[in-house]
Amino acid sequence: DIQMTQSPASLSASLGETVSIECLASEGISNDLAWYQQKSGKSPQLLIYTTSRLQVGVPSRFSGSGSGTRYSLEISGIQPEDAADYFCQQSYKYPLTFGSGTKLEIK
Amino acid sequence: EVQLVESGGGLVQPGRSLKLSCAASGFTFSNEYMAWVRQAPEKGLEWVATISTRGTTTYYPDSVRGRFTISRDNTKSSLYLQLNSLKSEDTATYYCARHGSRIFFDYWGQGVMVTVSS
Repeated sequence: DIQMTQSPASLSASLGETVSIECLASEGISNDLAWYQQKSGKSPQLLIYTTSRLQVGVPSRFSGSGSGTRYSLEISGIQPEDAADYFCQQSYKYPLTFGSGTKLEIK
Repeated sequence: EVQLVESGGGLVQPGRSLKLSCAASGFTFSNEYMAWVRQAPEKGLEWVATISTRGTTTYYPDSVRGRFTISRDNTKSSLYLQLNSLKSEDTATYYCARHGSRIFFDYWGQGVMVTVSS
């Protein structure tokens, strides 16, 4: 199974700041990496797929990058509504696996 | 608008069974791979099962293989998950999800809670 190591587990950011969340895969996943946002009490929502493609309706302040085994999600110009948990997921092969999540708090 | 609405959750004793349902609308259900993903309380996400468009191919992680069965009825635009031999560690919110063109999840239901306890 492909292990997804996500960091940091939590972070705190001020409005307007830029933050980055990373995921490290235990083997190469050929850019088959997705990111999800989950707000408190809600279901997850797809933000980015195939490393850098923005899902329809997702603000352009969200961006993804990476290759091989290292991938990152960047949120630039943090807004209050960005407070949430963020998860990465490898969509390269079964069994599908997720990172352990990052909790983003807005100061 | 894509909608996925789960039902069938509840409190069940260890070793018993439960069947979850997901009613889909807003897209051509028979054209899409579908999946179940679960989330234990205050924990991360765990993929549970995937089914192909015609239901002929299914995928499971080792943690549920042999106990859970995913199925679908394209005439009813419905997805199902049969949970057998339930364990306390199966306690979670179960989400119905649509697979995107690659095997990520582009739409999710609101989730249904399953609690396994005596």
